[in-house]
Amino acid sequence: GDSVTQMEGPVTLSEEAFLTINCTYTATGYPSLFWYVQYPGEGLQLLLKATKADDKGSNKGFEATYRKETTSFHLEKGSVQVSDSAVYFCALSSYNQGGKLIFGQGTELSVKP
Amino acid sequence: ETGVTQTPRHLVMGMTNKKSLKCEQHLGHNAMYWYKQSAKKPLELMFVYSLEERVENNSVPSRFSPECPNSSHLFLHLHTLQPEDSALYLCASSQDLARGRNGELFFGEGSRLTVL
Repeated sequence: GDSVTQMEGPVTLSEEAFLTINCTYTATGYPSLFWYVQYPGEGLQLLLKATKADDKGSNKGFEATYRKETTSFHLEKGSVQVSDSAVYFCALSSYNQGGKLIFGQGTELSVKP
Repeated sequence: ETGVTQTPRHLVMGMTNKKSLKCEQHLGHNAMYWYKQSAKKPLELMFVYSLEERVENNSVPSRFSPECPNSSHLFLHLHTLQPEDSALYLCASSQDLARGRNGELFFGEGSRLTVL
């Protein structure tokens, strides 16, 4: 079945460092891809999305490019802030499961001053 | 008022107790969802309701019983739970099922459940 795999956390970075959180997927057809963020004590929020190959989703300085050839959707940010500390979830909309959202296990990011 | 409100935020219960989790959305959405979030595991979709009708039940044990009395409220009734059911239970809503499939989900803060 369709699935999403994220890099293991926690990821610990210093402020202003470059961030990459890897996400790869297995899916039938051409799923839409998403990144969600969960700040401490809060629910998940949609951060960005891409609906077709080579699309780049972006929001709040974060970017991710839909790479069909490598089945990847890595999350990047050029300069992280302490306020970016959160858990990040990669997800896809499963074509063969009626559009159900399939989530990865989440990657915790901790940014130190 | 926040968009999606869940109560209680924390719940501790014994295996023989009966309790309920409540979710309320103030967004005028037609679809509501229950997810289970366990440490180091992907979010698990449990139930989906659209216009108060259950449209998805992902092989969830019968000790979890959902109820959707109207489009703004969703409950998860709990009875004879097991310690492995301890997790964060997240409620979400979307304008409709199509927008939910398009990632436009609005989540509550979750109810942290501990089963002793």
